Order: sequence, then structure tokens, then C-alpha cells
Amino acid sequence: AQSVTQLDSQVPVFEEAPVELRCNYSSSVSVYLFWYVQYPNQGLQLLLKYLSGSTLVKGINGFEAEFNKSQTSFHLRKPSVHISDTAEYFCAVRKLQGGSEKLVFGKGTKLTVNP
Amino acid sequence: NAGVMQNPRHLVRRRGQEARLRCSPMKGHSHVYWYRQLPEEGLKFMVYLQKENIIDESGMPKERFSAEFPKEGPSILRIQQVVRGDSAAYFCASSPGAGRVNTEAFFGQGTRLTVV
Repeated sequence: AQSVTQLDSQVPVFEEAPVELRCNYSSSVSVYLFWYVQYPNQGLQLLLKYLSGSTLVKGINGFEAEFNKSQTSFHLRKPSVHISDTAEYFCAVRKLQGGSEKLVFGKGTKLTVNP
Repeated sequence: NAGVMQNPRHLVRRRGQEARLRCSPMKGHSHVYWYRQLPEEGLKFMVYLQKENIIDESGMPKERFSAEFPKEGPSILRIQQVVRGDSAAYFCASSPGAGRVNTEAFFGQGTRLTVV
């Protein structure tokens, strides 16, 4: 069964510091991975996705993620964070089964950027 | 092109009442997914629908919950006889079609249901 583990439930950082939000997945077949961001009382917005090709994926707002098949990881990084990056971040894997598809989400990581 | 529209944004119901949550997918999208987010939890899949068809309802509770996506109009998630444990944020997502590798699901703003 496919699953997603986000190792850190909360990550506090200072403004302009680098950040890495960790995500590990389990999957037996082709892997399609996503990172979403959720601002308070908002819906989910796609940051980036890995479907195939280059293992380094660049997304919006300066975020990037690296797909590492041997370590089954898809960690999200940003070299310098802003106060406005304070939000909850969700890693997800697309699960295809029979005629169905769905996203399986991790429990989320709350990023707090302090001045 | 409007995004995925959900209404109401906030819904308060007393225990035992019915809750109806509506979702209009993005223009051109024929696939709708419902997810539930409980406090301090990630999103959990509930149901996947195409027009007039339920494709996968493996995440739906066996009782009191139902979903539909009629030929005309929005998708509806219906919760009968709500209980306090139903309090959560319910998100709808839509996509152009399943199985297309390069597609992604777009999420609505969610409906936050509070049962009092």
C-alpha cells in the first residue's frame, strides 16, 4: 500500500534561513509525488510535482524538491524563507488502483517563519 | 476561469441535522474528489466521482454519508444525522480526467463544518 510519512510535524525557522521539510513515501510501482501548501483557513495550492524525468523539481515561490528513489524520499527545500511562507505543507503520492485514482497525504508539516 | 468552488465556506449544524456541501469543479473538469481534514491530521480521501458515476467510495463512512455528481449541477456531499465527530474541513478537488499522468487535481477552499 502506498503511504506518505512527513517526519516533522512542526518546523520553526528564522526569516532568510534555509529550510528542508522531509517526506518519505512507500510505493511499489510508478511514483507521482506532490507538495501542497495550505495557508490558514484556505484550500490547498500545488507547490510542485514529480511525475518523471529530472529528479530535481522546481516549483512556485522559490521551492524545490528532489526525488530520491533509493531513499524513497521527496524532501522540499527553500534556500531562504520569508515570513509569508508560514503555512502548513503536505506531501502526497498519487495512488492508481484499478479504475480509480486518489491522493494519499502525509499528516503535514507546519512551517513557522519567525522574524 | 474560475477555480473549484465550494459552498458554503462555513457550516454550523446541530447534532442530528443534515449537512449538504456543494462543489462546482473547474470548467472542463469531469472528475471530482472529496477529502476530509480532521484537526491535526492530513487530508483523507473519501470518494471519487465522475458525472453520474461513483468510481471509488472506499474512504466514505458506511453510514450517513453519501455523494453524488449529477449530469447537471454541482457535486454534493451529504451527511445525515451529523455528530460532533463529523466536525472537520471538507475539501473538493477536480481534474480533467483520471490516469492522465500530466494532470493534477485542483482544490477548492473547503467547507468547514462545525457540529454543535
